[in-house]
Amino acid sequence: ETGVTQSPTHLIKTRGQQVTLRCSSQSGHNTVSWYQQALGQGPQFIFQYYREEENGRGNFPPRFSGLQFPNYSSELNVNALELDDSALYLCASSLGTAGTDTQYFGPGTRLTVL
Amino acid sequence: EDQVTQSPEALRLQEGESSSLNCSYTVSGLRGLFWYRQDPGKGPEFLFTLYSAGEEKEKERLKATLTKKESFLHITAPKPEDSATYLCAVRGGSGTYKYIFGTGTRLKVLA
Repeated sequence: ETGVTQSPTHLIKTRGQQVTLRCSSQSGHNTVSWYQQALGQGPQFIFQYYREEENGRGNFPPRFSGLQFPNYSSELNVNALELDDSALYLCASSLGTAGTDTQYFGPGTRLTVL
Repeated sequence: EDQVTQSPEALRLQEGESSSLNCSYTVSGLRGLFWYRQDPGKGPEFLFTLYSAGEEKEKERLKATLTKKESFLHITAPKPEDSATYLCAVRGGSGTYKYIFGTGTRLKVLA
């Protein structure tokens, strides 16, 4: 069974640029959630995708957007990068959207905005 | 508003010195409480899911318990390899899809 994978591992961008992060869900999982984790903090929910549709969103501005593909992989896009966007971005996959479904996390992408 | 508070923020133990980590939560209609372990710069690693008060789960030196207001992660005879940040998260039933995380407890086990 393949776990959740993310790419790239690390990324350095400058303020104002755009970035795309990628995630492949665990085998058999159809739901992907994205989180932002600042240093020393817990992960903060960005949004969730279920069967290619956005299924819930946290308190993040519209410049954070996403996609889910038919194979359930997903992308997180961030436009007009700001210094505060520097963080570890985590993707988690689960089977379905039921409240009791456990989310399994990938290794994360470390984004640094200069 | 749904909220999770973890204590202590940091904990240093000698190898073999048992202790407990606390996760207090406020949520509308708990749908699940989750414990994760996170090593520096890595993604959270799933440990346990608890669904209802009175439930307990064990894995090696770890045991998680749940009441109506809090959860404990008991660590028995810890080893240096147990050093990590332990994260607690809840999912509520008010139509939300997200996990709400605490800020974690940083555990250091000294040999």
